[in-house]
Amino acid sequence: QVQLQESGPGLVKPSQTLSLTCTVSGGSISSGGYYWSWIRQFPGKGLEWIGYIYSSGTTETDYNPSLRRRVTISMDMSENQVSLNLSSVSTADTAVYYCARVAMTVVRGVTRSFYGMDVWGHGTTVTVSS
Amino acid sequence: ENVLTQSPGTLSLSPGERATLSCRASQSVTNNFLAWYQQKPGQAPRLLIYRASSRVTGIPDRFSGSGSGTDFTLTISGLQPEDFAVYYCQQHGGSPPITFGGGTKVEIK
Repeated sequence: QVQLQESGPGLVKPSQTLSLTCTVSGGSISSGGYYWSWIRQFPGKGLEWIGYIYSSGTTETDYNPSLRRRVTISMDMSENQVSLNLSSVSTADTAVYYCARVAMTVVRGVTRSFYGMDVWGHGTTVTVSS
Repeated sequence: ENVLTQSPGTLSLSPGERATLSCRASQSVTNNFLAWYQQKPGQAPRLLIYRASSRVTGIPDRFSGSGSGTDFTLTISGLQPEDFAVYYCQQHGGSPPITFGGGTKVEIK
């Protein structure tokens, strides 16, 4: 079955860029029918959607407007990986970062089906501190 | 932004009892694209319910979801020891397209 594994530095200095990778095994990230998402969970336990990416021929991304200026999500088909870059980090970005598969279909910008985030990685803790 | 408000914040119940968790949206949830997740300490959330009332394969039938529009409910009938956890609702639609509720903790009384 599909498994996701997040990786990246556990400590990032303020103002630097946080870079994480989600390696997908047991399935192709370009097979269609699924979006690949990043979500974070703050120490107070709240969950925040960061953004997602989809590729089946063309690549689509969407980001949380609150993070759009600082976030980029990309895919490496050859490595079957999804990456997250978050620039200009501050202590407010300290969180557990998860990647997840989103089962949904979008036709001409309209979501036709949404079956939730059905596969999650274990998460990776990122602390922003000098 | 479609804000999801979950209540109560904490539910203290005994094994075997029925748990009723509420999720209220600030705007109508498009096509009832509302999901429920369970999270245990040190673990990622696990999908239980999608489209408000459809149970994921392998999830016990004591978990059920209901509701539409802005009011949704997750019911756990006959709490088992492994059900004590935090539960989150999530919706898809609007901007940002995905938002989560603040969670309800179901704890042992």
